[in-house]
This record gives sequence, C-alpha cells and structure tokens, in this order.
Amino acid sequence: AQSVTQLGSHVSVSEGALVLLRCNYSSSVPPYLFWYVQYPNQGLQLLLKYTSAATLVKGINGFEAEFKKSETSFHLTKPSAHMSDAAEYFCAVITISGGYQKVTFGTGTKLQVIP
Amino acid sequence: EAGVAQSPRYKIIEKRQSVAFWCNPISGHATLYWYQQILGQGPKLLIQFQNNGVVDDSQLPKDRFSAERLKGVDSTLKIQPAKLEDSAVYLCASSWGTDTQYFGPGTRLTVL
Repeated sequence: AQSVTQLGSHVSVSEGALVLLRCNYSSSVPPYLFWYVQYPNQGLQLLLKYTSAATLVKGINGFEAEFKKSETSFHLTKPSAHMSDAAEYFCAVITISGGYQKVTFGTGTKLQVIP
Repeated sequence: EAGVAQSPRYKIIEKRQSVAFWCNPISGHATLYWYQQILGQGPKLLIQFQNNGVVDDSQLPKDRFSAERLKGVDSTLKIQPAKLEDSAVYLCASSWGTDTQYFGPGTRLTVL
C-alpha cells in the first residue's frame, strides 16, 4: 500500500518570501516521487521528479525538492516566491509493480502569493 | 511535440444521461491513464492502459464507467448513466512505459 500526505491545503506567502510545501509519503517499496503544478482550468504540469538518483532535485521555475528517506518526506521549496507561482501543487508517489505504474496523488496545496 | 489532447473541454449534462470523453496521447506513448479530479481533491486514477490492454482498473466504477483504447492510440471514457457525484474534471495522461506522465488539459463535467 502507498499513500501521500500534503500538510496544509492552503499556504500563503509574501512575494519574495520562501515557499515551503510539505509532502510525506508511505510506501512498502522504493518510490518515485513527483511534484506537479496545476494552474486554473489547466492540466497538471511536471515541476520535478525523484527517481533514485540525486536526493536534491531541481525543477522548473526555480523549485527544488529534497528526498529524505529517514523522514519519508519530499518537501518542495523555492527561495523567493513570485506572483506567477500562485497555483495548486500536487505531490505524487509512484511505484512500479508488474511492469506498470501504481500512482497515488496527494490532496493538493493551494499556494497564494501576496504582493 | 504535440501534447495530450482531450475533448470536449467542458460538458454539462442532466443526471442519468450518458457522456463520453476523448483523449489522444502523445505520439509513441504506450501507456495511457484516465483520472477523476473532484473539486478540492487530488487526481484519482480510474484506469490505466498499456497499448490497448487494461493493466489497472481497480478504482473504476464499472457499473457505470467504461473505457476503451482501440488500436492502442486514442481512448474514450464513457459514463452511463451519470450521477451528480460524477461532476469532476477528467484528466487524461500518457507516458512512455513507466516514465513521467504528461497530462492533457482535462474535461470539466457538470452533472445537473
């Protein structure tokens, strides 16, 4: 079984402040971890992914995430928030079983950036 | 490279009516996924195809939902009959094997 928990359904930060979106996972086998961003009325866009190589993963738009196995976490950060970062962010855990993906998404965190 | 295409983008129907959604994946992607995203929730996987075969439909409400992927390319998802609780965004995604999933823009379904 696998699961994803995103702490905080809504997060507000000031423009220029640090962004920290939390994701904890549970998996009985080594997972792949993803962060996706969703803008209003659009599909999900990949921000970054962890696939068992480097534990610190850099993504698009200045975002990065660190895989911490001991804490079962994959938190998303950005040093300085921009107005265009306002969106909903989803963490996902993927495991491979029988040659196909087993996918579980978190419930999402809506990021508000205050000017 | 063209992305995942979905149509229609919006659909409004009465309960007990039927509806169908279409998805065309990225060229060459053998794996196709359908998700249901209810407002305020994360996407929930409904069904996964590898080529034209189903590999996971454990969360598909089979009494009213069906999906097919003829010829291993595009796919349709059907709901018959629709219920109020089926109001959601239906997302299609595709991947090359077990690699990264790429999502389409989604179809927003409203059931009245």
